[in-house]
Amino acid sequence: NAGVTQTPKFRVLKTGQSMTLLCAQDMNHEYMYWYRQDPGMGLRLIHYSVGEGTTAKGEVPDGYNVSRLKKQNFLLGLESAAPSQTSVYFCASSYGTNSYEQYFGPGTRLTVT
Amino acid sequence: AQSVTQLDSHVSVSEGTPVLLRCNYSSSYSPSLFWYVQHPNKGLQLLLKYTSAATLVKGINGFEAEFKKSETSFHLTKPSAHMSDAAEYFCVVSDSGGYQKVTFGIGTKLQVIP
Repeated sequence: NAGVTQTPKFRVLKTGQSMTLLCAQDMNHEYMYWYRQDPGMGLRLIHYSVGEGTTAKGEVPDGYNVSRLKKQNFLLGLESAAPSQTSVYFCASSYGTNSYEQYFGPGTRLTVT
Repeated sequence: AQSVTQLDSHVSVSEGTPVLLRCNYSSSYSPSLFWYVQHPNKGLQLLLKYTSAATLVKGINGFEAEFKKSETSFHLTKPSAHMSDAAEYFCVVSDSGGYQKVTFGIGTKLQVIP
């Protein structure tokens, strides 16, 4: 049981390049989330999904797109990377809403130069 | 609307002394409250959660928190700090108002001095 895994762990992009971050969970969770973590700002929700085939915007969605084609996977895309997207990205999943614990992946450290 | 305030960005304690990390929240509905811990270069791990049952919640590694509605607080405590407790701690509030929404505090970095 691997829990939540993220690929890659580190990435450096040049401004304007694109990339996709992959999140996978093996707990059969319905809910999945993408957060970014910046110093002094806690975690901010980018996008989330309440089930296979569904996605919704979070607090800071601009510049990102997501897809949930399979229940176990949640992809985060950056179409044209900007230095402001330099951050640590965390994926999480949960069985249910509100009172349910979220399980986090180990994070992806992205630097955009 | 919901919000969470962690009152200290950094807390420093000596090993073996008590730990107090403070959190105040605001919520329009009956909230669920969580404390997560993040060790350096790791993901977040749940320490404990409150979901309208007992107001004193016990978590892993000797941590506990008390939900005080009148004070809108959910402070995290531990009687005796250990070196391995050095990490960043996040207080999280989740509204029961109809859809999944959680709000993270900005974090409190705990330093444990030997």
